[in-house]
Formats: sequence, structure tokens, C-alpha cells
Amino acid sequence: QKEVEQDPGPLSVPEGAIVSLNCTYSNSAFQYFMWYRQYSRKGPELLMYTYSSGNKEDGRFTAQVDKSSKYISLFIRDSQPSDSATYLCAMTLSGGYNKLIFGAGTRLAVHP
Amino acid sequence: EAGVAQSPRYKIIEKRQSVAFWCNPISGHATLYWYQQILGQGPKLLIQFQNNGVVDDSQLPKDRFSAERLKGVDSTLKIQPAKLEDSAVYLCASSPLSDTQYFGPGTRLTVL
Repeated sequence: QKEVEQDPGPLSVPEGAIVSLNCTYSNSAFQYFMWYRQYSRKGPELLMYTYSSGNKEDGRFTAQVDKSSKYISLFIRDSQPSDSATYLCAMTLSGGYNKLIFGAGTRLAVHP
Repeated sequence: EAGVAQSPRYKIIEKRQSVAFWCNPISGHATLYWYQQILGQGPKLLIQFQNNGVVDDSQLPKDRFSAERLKGVDSTLKIQPAKLEDSAVYLCASSPLSDTQYFGPGTRLTVL
């Protein structure tokens, strides 16, 4: 079993839709949770960073963490064609210099 | 602020040949990471440096991969000899004394 499971998609939605991206994990010791966006032929860029269970909102993006279920989500409201990318969840054991464990990434296509 | 620089961006080699990748992190970032991202997968950490010391190289195939970070700034990752399964994107990332990692654009390696 992989430490982090993420549906690779692809996910295709119309512009303006609400998108839900999810990851599950097996290691209850993970404490920090991140979402990265990766455009084609580019490096990942950090979108959201959360520590505690609950919701964190940043513009059209909301990250949700449920540590009891070992489940994290990223919601994108009013999706735009420019949101078309691969979304990677990542997590780490604790702060400092611990390595990130990534999911496989979900490919999202938002069509006009 | 300039981002993480990597070169070359693309490299095609025959199996059993050698190859080297170069990374210049963001100025002042103490921690540098090399990741391997195989097509359809999330990045996997190969090696992590703190200044010029190795923090984690547990997933580096040491029989063929080597990395160094001279003077705690630039880093090189070498593969010798390359195998077909080494075809991947090699990502370099850096971070200050925090959890946020900033990724470069990557080097796409094709081994024929």
C-alpha cells in the first residue's frame, strides 16, 4: 500500500464548476499537508499549506484536512481554464527538514 | 527574487552512458533537494542537503547515482551508468529554514 493515494484522473470539468480533489494517507504521523500545482513541463508550485484538521481558504481555493479519517481535499471554486494542471498532494511528518511524500497527482482540465 | 535554476532542461542519452544535472537554488536557501518524477507519478525524494551536508539520501540508488553540493550553494546530480528506468524528470527544490519548498523547472531525461 502506498503511503499517499491520489486518483490520477484525468478530471474534465466545464469552466465555472466546483472541483474537488482528494488524497488519502496511511501514516497517522503525518502532520503537515500541502497542495502543489504543476503545469505541463514546469516544476510544482505550492498552493496551500495546512497543519491542523479543518478548513483553510485562500481565494478560490479551500484545503480541508480530516486527520481522523486520514483524508485531505482541495476545492476549487469558479474553476478557470488557467486552473488546468496536475494537482499534487504532499505531506510530511513534522516541521523542519522532513521529506515530502507526494501523491501521484490528479490531472485537471477545465474547458471553456 | 530569482527562482531555482536547473540545466540542462532536456537530455537524451543511451543506456550505460553518464549524465549530470546542475541546480542553482534560491539565494540564501540552506536546504536543497533532488527529486525524481517518473511519468504519471509524484516526485520522489532522492537526496536532501542542509548547507553542504547530507540530511537524507535513503532513496538514492548509490550504486549509480551521486550528488554533491559544494560550498553549500550549487549542486550536481550524476547518474553513471544510466538505465532505461532512469527516464524521468529530475527536479531540484530549495527552502529556507521552513517547510516551504520551491521547485525548479526540472530536467527531462530520456534514456534510450
